[in-house]
Amino acid sequence: SQQGEEDPQALSIQEGENATMNCSYKTSINNLQWYRQNSGRGLVHLILIRSNEREKHSGRLRVTLDTSKKSSSLLITASRAADTASYFCATDVLGGGADGLTFGKGTHLIIQP
Amino acid sequence: SAVISQKPSRDICQRGTSLTIQCQVDSQVTMMFWYRQQPGQSLTLIATANQGSEATYESGFVIDKFPISRPNLTFSTLTVSNMSPEDSSIYLCSARDGGNQPQHFGDGTRLSIL
Repeated sequence: SQQGEEDPQALSIQEGENATMNCSYKTSINNLQWYRQNSGRGLVHLILIRSNEREKHSGRLRVTLDTSKKSSSLLITASRAADTASYFCATDVLGGGADGLTFGKGTHLIIQP
Repeated sequence: SAVISQKPSRDICQRGTSLTIQCQVDSQVTMMFWYRQQPGQSLTLIATANQGSEATYESGFVIDKFPISRPNLTFSTLTVSNMSPEDSSIYLCSARDGGNQPQHFGDGTRLSIL
């Protein structure tokens, strides 16, 4: 079953604007990971944020994590047409041992040129 | 980060046949996984591929339908058996080296069943 829910499910913005996607989850986690998927291809790993971290940056990406609210956000600043993709959050559930990640439903981001 | 290669990248198969997907990682990893992504959907974990022992399957997935091998720390296969149109999906291999580490994915195998 899905652990997380992203919102919005779809987002369309103008090039140069910032894009914010949110992810909520249900159980305690070891970490949360964000991925990008272009048009049905493989997943590209963006950022891993551990449960004891609150914020991480990577280039134009900023991820926050609020474990009290069981939520995370991904901010893409100064968006580009090449950022058009689906974005997924995935949780590594605490106590899951060697279990794989549990994925949210994803946000489809469209950057209008 | 680990580089994961999958093959075939895509295939069109007849119903009732079986297809084996191969996954090769460029370094030894402790954990390997197989996921399915149905059209327009998110990813669902099929199983954890355990080195030297039987895979651990998630609810709704069984070994007879999705047999998995993992003979060493860099290679795994997933077979989709007795395929039907409902098996048309992208199948993705994934790996990570230990807990609390990034989990990386291959490019996936796009499977269509006629």
